[in-house]
Amino acid sequence: RKEVEQDPGPFNVPEGATVAFNCTYSNSASQSFFWYRQDCRKEPKLLMSVYSSGNEDGRFTAQLNRASQYISLLIRDSKLSDSATYLCVVYTGTASKLTFGTGTRLQVTL
Amino acid sequence: NAGVTQTPKFRVLKTGQSMTLLCAQDMNHEYMYWYRQDPGMGLRLIHYSVGEGTTAKGEVPDGYNVSRLKKQNFLLGLESAAPSQTSVYFCASSRRESGEQFFGPGTRLTVL
Repeated sequence: RKEVEQDPGPFNVPEGATVAFNCTYSNSASQSFFWYRQDCRKEPKLLMSVYSSGNEDGRFTAQLNRASQYISLLIRDSKLSDSATYLCVVYTGTASKLTFGTGTRLQVTL
Repeated sequence: NAGVTQTPKFRVLKTGQSMTLLCAQDMNHEYMYWYRQDPGMGLRLIHYSVGEGTTAKGEVPDGYNVSRLKKQNFLLGLESAAPSQTSVYFCASSRRESGEQFFGPGTRLTVL
């Protein structure tokens, strides 16, 4: 079983739609969780951290369920510019233990 | 601030050739990392450094060496390139040990 698993997609949604991605992780000792965004042929960039209480940043909402070991990202009112691959990232407390999922691709269309 | 920069952006090597990838950061970060990204796989850590003069192996270190002689620079070397090392290489840095890392633009390496 992969340490971090994501549905690769692609998720094709129209502009204005709400879309949600899930990610599951296998290591119950994982401490911190993040969503990164990666545009085609570009570097990953931190989108947001994921806190136990859930957190929101504009149109983006991230949630963590430790009991079920999954993380979610909700994007409301999708924009064309949201088209990218979203990477789920799990940190287990050492410099060498940042595990990246393979990413979920989102394509927002007119 | 330039953030994290990488040189070169692209490179084509023949099997057995050697090369060095350079990563530089101007954010005074202690931690630096080298990853490779292959289709269908998440980013995988090759080597990392927790400070000037220190390096450590990551998940896939074989065939690579690194050096961190200056805090702002982290070099990745391939002594004898193999086709399996065809990949996109990303350097990253962080202020502290955490999941919040800043990435460079990547180096696309092809080994023929």
